[in-house]
Amino acid sequence: EDQVTQSPEALRLQEGESSSLNCSYTVSGLRGLFWYRQDPGKGPEFLFTLYSAGEEKEKERLKATLTKKESFLHITAPKPEDSATYLCAVHLIQGAQKLVFGQGTRLTINP
Amino acid sequence: DAEITQSPRHKITETGRQVTLACHQTWNHNNMFWYRQDLGHGLRLIHYSYGVQDTNKGEVSDGYSVSRSNTEDLPLTLESAASSQTSVYFCASSETHRTDTQYFGPGTRLTVL
Repeated sequence: EDQVTQSPEALRLQEGESSSLNCSYTVSGLRGLFWYRQDPGKGPEFLFTLYSAGEEKEKERLKATLTKKESFLHITAPKPEDSATYLCAVHLIQGAQKLVFGQGTRLTINP
Repeated sequence: DAEITQSPRHKITETGRQVTLACHQTWNHNNMFWYRQDLGHGLRLIHYSYGVQDTNKGEVSDGYSVSRSNTEDLPLTLESAASSQTSVYFCASSETHRTDTQYFGPGTRLTVL
């Protein structure tokens, strides 16, 4: 069964304290891996797409990396406005254009 | 600017009533999707469409239907609302069949009493 697991479920950091969020997947075939940010009461907002192991993408304080079994979202010197739930999703080779989502990591950055 | 909108943003209904949630996108995307988001389950796919007159079932399609009569709209209908369908519903769209980014609407919070 195709499965996406995110850890930790929740993470609380101090402003400026860097850390990483994990997304591990067991799928039949990966076409791409997506990271989204979701603020309370809003829809997911696209951050990154990664297609192959070794690929990295950056945006401001965020950097996403991909291996054959997992992806990391690294947050460097976070600010309170980075507080949100971060969602990981995989796009499978088979099964139409279906995204399988993890349950998310709720990140809180304290000032 | 192009966007994806959902209406209503909040809806309270009673068990057994038919409910329709609207989704409208102005990107001219071929692909449109409906998800529901529940605590403990994350986002789950209900139905999706690759174009006009095309609809497909997702993993949690029982009790829901969609129709696609134009490129811009994919309304989601709950034929006979049940309390188990209380959830937050998100519509998304993307450009092509392949690994293209899905862009999400702001969501509709539905409560079935």
